[in-house]
Amino acid sequence: EAGVTQFPSHSVIEKGQTVTLRCDPISGHDNLYWYRRVMGKEIKFLLHFVKESKQDESGMPNNRFLAERTGGTYSTLKVQPAELEDSGVYFCASSQGGQLNTEAFFGQGTRLTVV
Amino acid sequence: QKEVEQDPGPLSVPEGAIVSLNCTYSNSAFQYFMWYRQYSRKGPELLMYTYSSGNKEDGRFTAQVDKSSKYISLFIRDSQPSDSATYLCAMSVRGSTLGRLYFGRGTQLTVWP
Repeated sequence: EAGVTQFPSHSVIEKGQTVTLRCDPISGHDNLYWYRRVMGKEIKFLLHFVKESKQDESGMPNNRFLAERTGGTYSTLKVQPAELEDSGVYFCASSQGGQLNTEAFFGQGTRLTVV
Repeated sequence: QKEVEQDPGPLSVPEGAIVSLNCTYSNSAFQYFMWYRQYSRKGPELLMYTYSSGNKEDGRFTAQVDKSSKYISLFIRDSQPSDSATYLCAMSVRGSTLGRLYFGRGTQLTVWP
């Protein structure tokens, strides 16, 4: 069974440009999460989807970030316009359970560099 | 104050050593405690999961949670070079924000032969 896959694995863009990250969760997983790790800091929660609905988006840093999960399958995270401080590794995770995050499976991450 | 504190290391030990990794936290609402292992350029993978206080053992790995002290530990016995990775503690609150994890910064471990 395929794990969580993320595209692209690495992206370098200029400040002010737009970037879209994609996450394909494990098939059948209703829960999908986005996290981000800025260099030298801990992995931080961005948002949580249950199927196509945003359950919790309290971790989204500002309105330059837009996450979607149309149809409750794959998800995209768009950054528009990108700023230097958006650089980091963006992780997507998915889980099957509805109540507890006992096991979230993570993708390999997308390394975003804004120059 | 950060919600989860973890010494980033790096930690370097010889093969066969006992490794002790730990995290402290400030939010008494945390009920679920996890340890993730992350190899270079990979995503975190779940290693151990513990609910509330107590110990849990899985092979060479033992996880301990002391909620009274807000302190969790991961012990690795007979460490192997293949254990070289970054170890992340993570916690979650029961109920309220379903699924959200709070991570420590991770401890980078190197086990040399």
